Amino acid sequence: AQKITQTQPGMFVQEKEAVTLDCTYDTSDPSYGLFWYKQPSSGEMIFLIYQGSYDQQNATEGRYSLNFQKARKSANLVISASQLGDSAMYFCAMREGRNTGNQFYFGTGTSLTVIP
Amino acid sequence: NAGVTQTPKFRVLKTGQSMTLLCAQDMNHEYMYWYRQDPGMGLRLIHYSVGEGTTAKGEVPDGYNVSRLKKQNFLLGLESAAPSQTSVYFCASSYDKGTPFLNEQFFGPGTRLTVL
Repeated sequence: AQKITQTQPGMFVQEKEAVTLDCTYDTSDPSYGLFWYKQPSSGEMIFLIYQGSYDQQNATEGRYSLNFQKARKSANLVISASQLGDSAMYFCAMREGRNTGNQFYFGTGTSLTVIP
Repeated sequence: NAGVTQTPKFRVLKTGQSMTLLCAQDMNHEYMYWYRQDPGMGLRLIHYSVGEGTTAKGEVPDGYNVSRLKKQNFLLGLESAAPSQTSVYFCASSYDKGTPFLNEQFFGPGTRLTVL
């Protein structure tokens, strides 16, 4: 079974609007972290935000927030007030506590295009 | 700090040739990882290391070998390159302090490898 599922291959959003990128995960480990990375067309991987499984509140980082719904095993990324520079691939990832190597499991990504 | 660096940035090989990709990090991180990124497939883990002198297989290890003789370096080797190994290769590192499963990965800029 896939550890991380991103079901939206591509998304479009109007500039200045908010957008939600979906991510669901699968784990039986009670301790885990969920991460979002941005990959612009230049290719580098940029860390955006993370959420711990024991965190009571949703994580926020500037215009990024993580909508964490533990019972549904979802960790959606919300980008508010989209900008043209937000156009990129976005990857959701998970890291389990019990895993010896603390491997990261990545989803297949969502390509976001911000329309002027 | 340079962070995570990768050498080379680009390489073209012929089928059957061998090469080594070098990853170096100056953050004193314990964990290091090698991924490959192919269109539509996200990042897939090739090999990883939890410390100097240790390595372990990831999701797609066949055709690759790794070594971590020094804590700051993680080498990825292709003994006999095949066209199926054409990909973008990313190295990443992470640290073991605090709660490891909440620590993000730091990525190198990537190596674009083409095997003809």
